[in-house]
Formats: sequence, C-alpha cells, structure tokens
Amino acid sequence: SQELEQSPQSLIVQEGKNLTINCTSSKTLYGLYWYKQKYGEGLIFLMMLQKGGEEKSHEKITAKLDEKKQQSSLHITASQPSHAGIYLCGADSGTASKLTFGTGTRLQVTL
Amino acid sequence: NAGVMQNPRHLVRRRGQEARLRCSPMKGHSHVYWYRQLPEEGLKFMVYLQKENIIDESGMPKERFSAEFPKEGPSILRIQQVVRGDSAAYFCASSPQAQGYGYTFGSGTRLTVV
Repeated sequence: SQELEQSPQSLIVQEGKNLTINCTSSKTLYGLYWYKQKYGEGLIFLMMLQKGGEEKSHEKITAKLDEKKQQSSLHITASQPSHAGIYLCGADSGTASKLTFGTGTRLQVTL
Repeated sequence: NAGVMQNPRHLVRRRGQEARLRCSPMKGHSHVYWYRQLPEEGLKFMVYLQKENIIDESGMPKERFSAEFPKEGPSILRIQQVVRGDSAAYFCASSPQAQGYGYTFGSGTRLTVV
C-alpha cells in the first residue's frame, strides 16, 4: 500500500519568512493533493498536481511535483498568521478513488 | 452551490450507544467517501460509495461500522455499540466522478464517546 511521509511534522516561523513542506511517497504518484486544515474544521483544497515537473501557484503558495512523481513540496512565501494550520498531502494511487494522506505538518506563524 | 454538508458537527455518545453521521454531497456529485481522523493521526480512508452501492470498504472496521448511500437522502455512517476508541473526527468527501477529481471535503463530525 502507498505511504506518504511529510516533513517536518511541525514548523514555527516568524511572520514574513518563507517555508517549505515536503511530501514523499513510497510509490509513484498519479495525483497529489494539498489540503489545509484548521483545528476543529474541515479540509480546504489548495492544489492538485498530476504531471511530473508540474508546478502550480495560488497567491503566496506554490506546489511542485518532481519529475519522478514521488515527491512534492509546498512552498509559502512571506508567511502570514492566516497561513497557520495543518497541511496535508494526499495521494491518488491511480487505481482507486480513495486518497492516502500523510500525517500532516502543523504550521505556526508568530508575529 | 452548497458544499459537502455533514451533520451533526459534534456528537457525544455513551459507550454502547449508536452513532449516526450524515453526509450530503455537493450537488452533482455521486461519489461519496468517508475518512476518519484519530487524535494526532492522519486521515484514514474508510469507505467509498456511489448511490445504493458500496464500491470499496477496505478501510472499514469489520464489526460495528456500516455505511450506506441510498437513492434518496444523505449518506449515513453508522457506528453501533460505540467504544471510547471510536472518538475521532469523521470526514466525508464527494466528487463528481471517480479518480478524485474535484474531491471536496465536509467540515466533519467530531464524535466523542464518554
């Protein structure tokens, strides 16, 4: 079965700093999803990547999928308190509709 | 266009009682998925349903848990004779087709077993 490992597990950054979260898969990724979760709330869809080398950006968040399609990174530029939360990567194995999720990265942004 | 609606948001049950969690998918979505998030753990897939059919229940515990998605009405995740270990956040997601396109999550139901 597919496993996803996220690093770091938690991160504290000062407002305005950049940061990167990584997601590494044990198998080839057919679809990689990034979600954000605030405590006590649901998951907010951020981005989906499918093609090797693909890169997508939305506001100050950029996600990339490497050429071999086994690792993705999420980069936040000039972090703000509103970026705080838990970031989850989810993988589509290509043969089923269920997603496998990483254990998440907890981000805190200090003033 | 309302998103995925889950209710209740919070549910407290005593050990041995039944818990019923409801999920109404987004309009136009015919695929429903249930996930469980245990404290300090990631989201784990439980079951995938289409109208009146269970497609994949490989993540469902063998006993006490069941799910349905009837022709009319919301999808229901039912937990019989709840135990403390069932305390978790249960999330529902829906999509318009298979393979995860347009996967949208609800806000979840937080079940606490006392």
